[in-house]
Amino acid sequence: DIQMTQSPSSVSASVGDRVTITCRASQGISSYLAWYRQKPGKAPELLIYAASNLQTGVPSRFSGHGSGTDFTLTISGLQPEDFATYYCQQANSFPPTFGGGTTVEIK
Amino acid sequence: QVQLQESGPGLVKPSETLSLSCTVSGGSISGYYWSWIRQPPGKRLEWIGYIYYTGSTNYNPSLKSRVTISIDTSKNQFSLNLSSVTAADTAVYYCARGPAAIDYWGQGTLVTVSS
Repeated sequence: DIQMTQSPSSVSASVGDRVTITCRASQGISSYLAWYRQKPGKAPELLIYAASNLQTGVPSRFSGHGSGTDFTLTISGLQPEDFATYYCQQANSFPPTFGGGTTVEIK
Repeated sequence: QVQLQESGPGLVKPSETLSLSCTVSGGSISGYYWSWIRQPPGKRLEWIGYIYYTGSTNYNPSLKSRVTISIDTSKNQFSLNLSSVTAADTAVYYCARGPAAIDYWGQGTLVTVSS
């Protein structure tokens, strides 16, 4: 299985801050990467697909970049609803696998 | 708006079979892949397997010997059976549309394996 490693595991930030989360694949996955936001007690929500494509209805403060093995998710201007856990998922190789998550906490 | 809803027992005894169903409303089950994904308490998400509306399936090799996913297009439902469960199978189980870039999820249901 392809291992997905996220960093940092947690980050403290304030409303309005810019936050960048990194996801690294154990082998190349082209651009087959998605990002999700999961609020406590809720199902994940799709933010980004194909590494850089914004899902319909997702605010433009979210952006994704990368290809191959290294990817980033950037939130430009944190909002209160963005304090949550973020996961990456690769879909290049079977089975699809998820990263360990990055929790964005209120500073 | 497509909605998914999991249903099934919240408590299963060790060695027994975990059975869950997912009802899809607001859209057709046809034409799509449908997945089961789980999340043990405090751990990362784990993809269990998917079924295409035609009935073809693909399972995570780590669970393949114990998993069966089926579909009933007439009821707009698909189901998960996981046999010989242990405490390690305790998790929130989600049904979802697609194996990746998953745009619709159920709310999730906690299944605890305990005697």
